[in-house]
Amino acid sequence: NAGVTQTPKFRVLKTGQSMTLLCAQDMNHEYMYWYRQDPGMGLRLIHYSVGEGTTAKGEVPDGYNVSRLKKQNFLLGLESAAPSQTSVYFCASVMTGVNQPQHFGDGTRLSIL
Amino acid sequence: EDQVTQSPEALRLQEGESSSLNCSYTVSGLRGLFWYRQDPGKGPEFLFTLYSAGEEKEKERLKATLTKKESFLHITAPKPEDSATYLCAARGSNYKLTFGKGTLLTVNP
Repeated sequence: NAGVTQTPKFRVLKTGQSMTLLCAQDMNHEYMYWYRQDPGMGLRLIHYSVGEGTTAKGEVPDGYNVSRLKKQNFLLGLESAAPSQTSVYFCASVMTGVNQPQHFGDGTRLSIL
Repeated sequence: EDQVTQSPEALRLQEGESSSLNCSYTVSGLRGLFWYRQDPGKGPEFLFTLYSAGEEKEKERLKATLTKKESFLHITAPKPEDSATYLCAARGSNYKLTFGKGTLLTVNP
């Protein structure tokens, strides 16, 4: 019972490098979300998707792009990484956005040097 | 702007010492108040959803309650395995989830 799987689990980048974080869910959920979690800040929404082929900006979208080409996958891209993007990134999914709880992956720990 | 504030930031208890965590929220048109548990190096794990004032839900040693302005997570006779960060989140009329910063609970044997 995989649920929400995030890859990679850890990554170290140099400033200016690019990378893509992958989130995969096997629960046939419609909605998917990307959050970042920083000490003392709580979870903040980066981007989200309400269905295959759709994406929308969240609270802190600058410096990130996303794609949802397949229902089960939600990709988060950093085009030119900056030290301020050092964080733990969590993906979540839910059947719909209304009353159901979001299910989270175990995160990707990203360090930008 | 929706806001969720959790207190205390950290709480240290002895095994068996009951206490409560607080979650105060300012959300337009509450659609749900969620409690999660987060262990180190893991993602948040869902515990409860509350929808209306007066509602209560229980799971083992945990009980969550909701008023029009705040929610409480009561922990009865905690055990060391209850040690974790507890997150509160509120969903408002815009259907976005706003998280608090969490309460780090440590239960000593």
